[in-house]
Amino acid sequence: DTGVSQNPRHKITKRGQNVTFRCDPISEHNRLYWYRQTLGQGPEFLTYFQNEAQLEKSRLLSDRFSAERPKGSFSTLEIQRTEQGDSAMYLCASSVPLAGGPYEQYFGPGTRLTVT
Amino acid sequence: GEDVEQSLFLSVREGDSSVINCTYTDSSSTYLYWYKQEPGAGLQLLTYIFSNMDMKQDQRLTVLLNKKDKHLSLRIADTQTGDSAIYFCAWLYNNNDMRFGAGTRLTVKP
Repeated sequence: DTGVSQNPRHKITKRGQNVTFRCDPISEHNRLYWYRQTLGQGPEFLTYFQNEAQLEKSRLLSDRFSAERPKGSFSTLEIQRTEQGDSAMYLCASSVPLAGGPYEQYFGPGTRLTVT
Repeated sequence: GEDVEQSLFLSVREGDSSVINCTYTDSSSTYLYWYKQEPGAGLQLLTYIFSNMDMKQDQRLTVLLNKKDKHLSLRIADTQTGDSAIYFCAWLYNNNDMRFGAGTRLTVKP
């Protein structure tokens, strides 16, 4: 396994269009996370899944955003009616929670979204 | 990043030591982490420290934790040009989502 992969790596879209990103986690990892990173900032948590269940969503995740992990493996993040403020790097991470930690999260290379 | 504060820039010469500092507000996390991000790449976990420890050494990396002052630092010995990157300190909120500082951009001059 080569790690967490994300597709596409870059996406340019016009305002108002819908976009979908995909994340493939490390195969034995049952937790999957989505983060958003804007220029000059650290990543901000959006949501996470344990297997196929979405267990937590940040207040940053507006109703235009939806994430799924239908079979507990890969995940998709969809943004509807994109706005220029959605322009950011969208990062996916995965982990396998061991009792007591250290709860290491392994990140993919990210999908850079530009909304024009 | 309001839960974690980091200085934004650090410049050192090749071969010198680099010290990157981080101040955090929430001390509930069992572990504190350091991540490295190179241009165009995702975040790479460098090291972590258990909150009950004061220090952890891992090859060229030394992590110091002062729980009283809520201060975390990362020392890189013999800094190389390949160490040029953005370094993020992070802590885990509710054992789920990782909270990150804004990152320190380290520039290593030859």
